[in-house]
Amino acid sequence: AQKVTQAQTEISVVEKEDVTLDCVYETRDTTYYLFWYKQPPSGELVFLIRRNSFDEQNEISGRYSWNFQKSTSSFNFTITASQVVDSAVYFCALSRRPQAGTALIFGKGTTLSVSS
Amino acid sequence: DAGVIQSPRHEVTEMGQEVTLRCKPISGHDYLFWYRQTMMRGLELLIYFNNNVPIDDSGMPEDRFSAKMPNASFSTLKIQPSEPRDSAVYFCASQGGYEQYFGPGTRLTVT
Repeated sequence: AQKVTQAQTEISVVEKEDVTLDCVYETRDTTYYLFWYKQPPSGELVFLIRRNSFDEQNEISGRYSWNFQKSTSSFNFTITASQVVDSAVYFCALSRRPQAGTALIFGKGTTLSVSS
Repeated sequence: DAGVIQSPRHEVTEMGQEVTLRCKPISGHDYLFWYRQTMMRGLELLIYFNNNVPIDDSGMPEDRFSAKMPNASFSTLKIQPSEPRDSAVYFCASQGGYEQYFGPGTRLTVT
């Protein structure tokens, strides 16, 4: 069975702090894909990143970075110098073969609150 | 390009009434997904279509729920009769490559 665990339910930080959101996944597949989505207070789900199981290179996009480690089945997300606009619920998700349209298995989400 | 469009954005109805949620996927995308988000269960898949054909409806809670995709640009999710436990945010998502792109959701409240 596939499962995604986001153990941190809520995190509160002050602006400019760095924050890491944890994601641990379970799957028996050798090929799989991991995703992060952001859900701001307005409610929509915004795609942030996709990673496949064969690519363990870390990725950086502006203030966002992702650390994928197969050895620990983790795909953590770090926001550097957080801003109030980063306040949202962040979801980690897993998919077997997204190119074939398989469903996303979501974690429960981590609510990030950034105060000024 | 327009994103995924859902209507209505908010729906309040009384128990026992029929509810129809609508979705227009991104043009050219060949997969369409319906998800439901609740506090208790989080985000869960209800059903998905490939080229308008239902592929997996194992997430549909019960016979009160039905979904159709009559053409590539339109899908509906119907609940009949609705119950208070159906209150949730319903998301439609479409996919043309590796990523699913979500609509803004329909917040359904059944009183």
